[in-house]
Amino acid sequence: KAGVTQTPRYLIKTRGQQVTLSCSPISGHRSVSWYQQTPGQGLQFLFEYFSETQRNKGNFPGRFSGRQFSNSRSEMNVSTLELGDSALYLCASSSPGTGGNTIYFGEGSWLTVV
Amino acid sequence: GENVEQHPSTLSVQEGDSAVIKCTYSDSASNYFPWYKQELGKRPQLIIDIRSNVGEKKDQRIAVTLNKTAKHFSLHITETQPEDSAVYFCAAVRFNKFYFGSGTKLNVKP
Repeated sequence: KAGVTQTPRYLIKTRGQQVTLSCSPISGHRSVSWYQQTPGQGLQFLFEYFSETQRNKGNFPGRFSGRQFSNSRSEMNVSTLELGDSALYLCASSSPGTGGNTIYFGEGSWLTVV
Repeated sequence: GENVEQHPSTLSVQEGDSAVIKCTYSDSASNYFPWYKQELGKRPQLIIDIRSNVGEKKDQRIAVTLNKTAKHFSLHITETQPEDSAVYFCAAVRFNKFYFGSGTKLNVKP
């Protein structure tokens, strides 16, 4: 079974631009969550989608948004990029039907804002 | 919301020694407590987890204990090996929302 796949793996953007990151969950997983990882703030929850609906949201500004498609693939978007948005963005998927809410991470997308 | 504190932030042990990492949480509604290991440049990977109706769980050299009353849980690694060197994250989960600790960098010296 293929793991969680994230694209692109690395990208560099300029302040003020926007960026879209993509995540394909493990086959059969319907929940996708996103996390921001930085050296200073650790792993912070952005949002979670289940069946195309945002089920949970973290404490990030409205510049951070996401969506989920009918095939469970998810995208997150960050508009008006700031230098502080430079981070590793991790996507994780889970399948509540398998007996728990264990999440499995993708390799992440490294975003650098210059 | 939930607040998870993790200690220590760095831990250095000699190969063969034991390592203990501790986490506390604030919300009694949290009911699932996973531990993730993240090697440099790689994704976090689940190494062990425990649910709120269990006090202890063991998997070979790794064990996790949970004290619901005190709202703390701990990761125990025995007979540490150099390949155990990594950053370890604890998490407390309520309603499918994961709250992570700040991480512990474990260094196992050969």
